[in-house]
Amino acid sequence: NAGVTQTPKFRILKIGQSMTLQCTQDMNHNYMYWYRQDPGMGLKLIYYSVGAGITDKGEVPNGYNVSRSTTEDFPLRLELAAPSQTSVYFCASTASYSNQPQHFGDGTRLSIL
Amino acid sequence: DAKTTQPTSMDCAEGRAANLPCNHSTISGNEYVYWYRQIHSQGPQYIIHGLKNNETNEMASLIITEDRKSSTLILPHATLRDTAVYYCIVKETSGSRLTFGEGTQLTVNP
Repeated sequence: NAGVTQTPKFRILKIGQSMTLQCTQDMNHNYMYWYRQDPGMGLKLIYYSVGAGITDKGEVPNGYNVSRSTTEDFPLRLELAAPSQTSVYFCASTASYSNQPQHFGDGTRLSIL
Repeated sequence: DAKTTQPTSMDCAEGRAANLPCNHSTISGNEYVYWYRQIHSQGPQYIIHGLKNNETNEMASLIITEDRKSSTLILPHATLRDTAVYYCIVKETSGSRLTFGEGTQLTVNP
């Protein structure tokens, strides 16, 4: 039972480069989320999706883009990497009905130099 | 969603019960209390949640006061592997977004 899978686990980017963080889930969850976590801090919501074709901004969306073409996949795109985007990125998913917990992936550790 | 207040850190002896408090004095009637933990920068792990009744599962117990303004997460026999940051989160039943605070760093000592 894979749950939420994130790739890559680690990545180093140069300033101005772009990349896509991949997230896929095999639980048929409609709701998916992207969070970032800076050192010593709690998680902050970047973007979320309530179903294929529907996305919305969270607390800290600037510098990121998302798409949701399938139920399973929710990639996060960094177009012009900046040092401020150095962080650990977590993807999560949950079923669409209320009060169900979110399931998290193991994270992508991204450094921008 | 209502905000929560947790102690920054706590210590517990291995084998003893760990009692982690959380204040959520502005909680409304349709908001659940959730607990997650994060072990050494891994992805957060769901522990338990409840609305107004006490809850127990294989990981922990959740005690919610009658006025619902505070709750306590209980790990009955803490082990070294329970050392983690524990997050108390209040969320509406119909909403899906979690708002993470700073959490409580629990250190279980041998």
